Amino acid sequence: DTGVSQNPRHKITKRGQNVTFRCDPISEHNRLYWYRQTLGQGPEFLTYFQNEAQLEKSRLLSDRFSAERPKGSFSTLEIQRTEQGDSAMYLCASSLGTQTYEQYFGPGTRLTVT
Amino acid sequence: DAKTTQPNSMESNEEEPVHLPCNHSTISGTDYIHWYRQLPSQGPEYVIHGLTSNVNNRMASLAIAEDRKSSTLILHRATLRDAAVYYCIATRIVDGKLTFGQGTILTVHP
Repeated sequence: DTGVSQNPRHKITKRGQNVTFRCDPISEHNRLYWYRQTLGQGPEFLTYFQNEAQLEKSRLLSDRFSAERPKGSFSTLEIQRTEQGDSAMYLCASSLGTQTYEQYFGPGTRLTVT
Repeated sequence: DAKTTQPNSMESNEEEPVHLPCNHSTISGTDYIHWYRQLPSQGPEYVIHGLTSNVNNRMASLAIAEDRKSSTLILHRATLRDAAVYYCIATRIVDGKLTFGQGTILTVHP
């Protein structure tokens, strides 16, 4: 257990539905990252926050994806109008400070879109 | 981020040393070399990082070539719990985002 929690751990949804995932980072960590991992591939960067500010979004993140980090604490990742191609493991990581040598990853949320 | 190249898979026997290579020939002077590993059904786990000098920690050692175009992660005595996918990443510290490649699948035989 790294101290980063993600909920739910598994989500099955039908195509076209909206889903929301939550990440609770280690409490004093001011940076929070979202990654997506498909089977057999390494994780891909989606977006990251420093405190409550979203500083970068990957081109992979279509308009259907939105992430928030209110008050610089937990973060949510919402996917609207899910597609089968969104099926993946969604990973959250947090790190301390701007010298981000070490990221602590949560266990991930596995999304299956049927 | 600089592209990294790693072998797809490697095998080792328990209690033997393991040397996992990584090529990063386009690395810039400010890129750090990070290693993460991912055990089955878990998120990635930080292993070690370095810039120019060799580094040691409780988990592993990192040997960086003098020209920084390659590095080697060394597990001194492999255990069955070290079986994982190992990722070598060259990245700027400024934003810290990690660009994972395919990684090396390490199999450890008892």
